[in-house]
Amino acid sequence: NAGVTQTPKFQVLKTGQSMTLQCAQDMNHNSMYWYRQDPGMGLRLIYYSASEGTTDKGEVPNGYNVSRLNKREFSLRLESAAPSQTSVYFCASRDRNNPLSGNTIYFGEGSWLTVV
Amino acid sequence: RKEVEQDPGPFNVPEGATVAFNCTYSNSASQSFFWYRQDCRKEPKLLMSVYSSGNEDGRFTAQLNRASQYISLLIRDSKLSDSATYLCAVSRSGGYNKLIFGAGTRLAVHP
Repeated sequence: NAGVTQTPKFQVLKTGQSMTLQCAQDMNHNSMYWYRQDPGMGLRLIYYSASEGTTDKGEVPNGYNVSRLNKREFSLRLESAAPSQTSVYFCASRDRNNPLSGNTIYFGEGSWLTVV
Repeated sequence: RKEVEQDPGPFNVPEGATVAFNCTYSNSASQSFFWYRQDCRKEPKLLMSVYSSGNEDGRFTAQLNRASQYISLLIRDSKLSDSATYLCAVSRSGGYNKLIFGAGTRLAVHP
């Protein structure tokens, strides 16, 4: 029972490099999310996708792009990494159509990204 | 001002103690409320939803005060295994319910 799987788990980038964080869920959820977590700031929403084919900005979208490739996958791209993007990134998903579990968000295990 | 605010702690309590956390939210349109638990270097996991009438799950009690715009989490008979960071989260009405999280309150339970 994989749930939400994100890769890579750890990555070190140089300033200006690009990379893509991959996320996939096998729970047939409609909604998917990318959060970043920084000390003292908590989890902040970067982008979300209410359903396949749609994406919207969250609280801190600058410097990121996303792609909802299909219902399972939601990727986060850093086009030109900056030290301020050093953070822990969490992908998450939710089945908003399920009246029993629709409010439960399931998180991946996190991706630790360092930009030097 | 952050939309969801929590006391960062840490709360250091002995085993068996009762401890309470508060979380305030600024948006009166907030509709749904939750407490998540996050262990060190792990992902957050849902601890419990918070219902208008208050709800209990074993040693954990959650309450909502809409008039004052805060939610609370009470942990009775603290265990060593309760040591973690507790995040509150709120979502507004409509659509895909973006969850906005507080920064978390750290709890350390000692023998």
